[in-house]
This record gives sequence, structure tokens and C-alpha cells, in this order.
Amino acid sequence: GAGVSQTPSNKVTEKGKYVELRCDPISGHTALYWYRQSLGQGPEFLIYFQGTGAADDSGLPNDRFFAVRPEGSVSTLKIQRTERGDSAVYLCASSLTGFNTGELFFGEGSRLTVL
Amino acid sequence: DAKTTQPTSMDCAEGRAANLPCNHSTISGNEYVYWYRQIHSQGPQYIIHGLKNNETNEMASLIITEDRKSSTLILPHATLRDTAVYYCIVRGVNSGGSNYKLTFGKGTLLTVNP
Repeated sequence: GAGVSQTPSNKVTEKGKYVELRCDPISGHTALYWYRQSLGQGPEFLIYFQGTGAADDSGLPNDRFFAVRPEGSVSTLKIQRTERGDSAVYLCASSLTGFNTGELFFGEGSRLTVL
Repeated sequence: DAKTTQPTSMDCAEGRAANLPCNHSTISGNEYVYWYRQIHSQGPQYIIHGLKNNETNEMASLIITEDRKSSTLILPHATLRDTAVYYCIVRGVNSGGSNYKLTFGKGTLLTVNP
């Protein structure tokens, strides 16, 4: 498809486990974002990639969270030693450029539930 | 980024115009007003943005007051499929800083009733 693709759409895991969430952005988009959305809240910024590099990771809550984008396309958000508070919808977005007027295109999200 | 204030929820009758207000009284001259919406269980979707002038596209119209301290998103003929959370966001125009990202608030839940 032409949109941002995220997998898995749903992930249920146990406390303490490791989780990977994948984002496949729109082809040619150099900017990629991860957001997290808790119930009843707006999306919260986590990290921004421009190409392969993380230009801003100020939103990552702690060092259990890490994201990569090794070839400047697909990105993986990695969460170690998951906690119940990590339960949320993780949204990925891409943009043609990182410039301020660029529209962000969002995927449908990966819903993570930590039991 | 300037903060925005939106009502928590609004209702609208199907077929009528939906007018969603947003206050951004601390907006600076180099900040755009953006609107996104999020239908249940989907990711946010871009609607429209503007700097000073009113804007219109196939989805909506954006009316920005002359002093730029508030704006209104207008859906001219709301349908049931327009039921969603609508986010008003301000974003800087200059390159650099953190203008590459969008900062979301809680938005307005618009419910379109049959």
C-alpha cells in the first residue's frame, strides 16, 4: 500500500519481556517519527529520525526504549523489560522532509498491552 | 511551541456545519496553525493548515482571526464519518529548533449525530 505500515497491529506481552514494533514509512520519506498514545490522551512525541540518524530522541521515557532506522527507511522501536505502564498505542508517522510545513502521515498504530 | 485550548467535546447534527474553535493566544508571528483529526482506532490525519489567511480545501475551511489568537475549523456539511477527535496544533515556520514535530494536546471530540 501507499501509506505508513505498522506491525504488529496488536501485541500482548508479559511484564519484563522484550518487544519490537516495526514501521514501514511511505517510500521516499526522509523523516520518520514515533509517538505514543495512552487512552484519552493525544499522541506524545518519542523520537524523530532524519534519514538514518535520530535527530531528536528527547521524548523517549527512559533507557528501556530505543529505536533504529539503519537504512533510512524501515524503523524499529525496541522496548526492553516491558512494564505495565508501557501499555499504549505506538504510532509511527513519516514526512517527505523534516521541514516544518511537511504533512505527517500516520500509520494505524501498534497496540501494546503488557500484562 | 504556543499552547492551544480547545473544548473537550462538541456535538453536531448530520448535514449541518461543524465549527470547532481553538484558542492560541500566545502564538508568535512565525507559527502556523495546523488541524489534524483522529478517527477511532486510526492514526491522526492531516486536515488543513494556515499562517494568516483563511484556507479552504476539499475537507474543511480554516478561519484565522486577524490577531491570530484564535481560529475555527469548519466542516461545512458534517457526516457521521466526521466523528473524531480534532487536534489544533501550532508549529513554527522556521527551520531548526523543534519545528519538525507536532505537539498534540487532548483535542476536541466531535460527535456527529444522525
